[in-house]
Amino acid sequence: DAMVIQNPRYQVTQFGKPVTLSCSQTLNHNVMYWYQQKSSQAPKLLFHYYDKDFNNEADTPDNFQSRRPNTSFCFLDIRSPGLGDAAMYLCATSRVTGRDGYTFGSGTRLTVV
Amino acid sequence: LAKTTQPISMDSYEGQEVNITCSHNNIATNDYITWYQQFPSQGPRFIIQGYKTKVTNEVASLFIPADRKSSTLSLPRVSLSDTAVYYCLVGQRESGGYQKVTFGIGTKLQVIP
Repeated sequence: DAMVIQNPRYQVTQFGKPVTLSCSQTLNHNVMYWYQQKSSQAPKLLFHYYDKDFNNEADTPDNFQSRRPNTSFCFLDIRSPGLGDAAMYLCATSRVTGRDGYTFGSGTRLTVV
Repeated sequence: LAKTTQPISMDSYEGQEVNITCSHNNIATNDYITWYQQFPSQGPRFIIQGYKTKVTNEVASLFIPADRKSSTLSLPRVSLSDTAVYYCLVGQRESGGYQKVTFGIGTKLQVIP
């Protein structure tokens, strides 16, 4: 089945130690998104790619970066994780037209110790 | 960006039909309306999408009045496994033609035995 896969499912990192989360898709969708979701809150959009075109949300901290080396893969880099960055990180993809909405991965639960 | 308003929570007994209404007063002409379901520790899952009138699939129906300023998700005969958070999203057209959406609070549905 075509899908969005996030690895790892759970990630523990030390305060200040860089960490990378990965996302891959077999849907061949042009657009890929990264969301941050904290406990009991709605997902918050961090940034997205339309093909290789990167689009950052205005309130996304500089500590968060992203890379998309090809259509299938997208990475979220947190340069110096703080305790406040502990959250579920969700990757999603969509068609250019927006039809059929987003397809989300299962998420990566990040713990900062 | 079209803002959505929906009830924070709802309770329903098993076997009943549940209707969740979402307001989106400043929806744009080209925006789709999409509903997602999210279980704890999982990514949101696409339920249904519509543009106008009524859409039905194997899990839900979506009713959209002519003015498109609101929409109602209808879940027939809910079961305990339908306990989840339901999000109503309205698309924001980017220059590339795709939709970027921002999640609202969502409606936490609790199904009671």
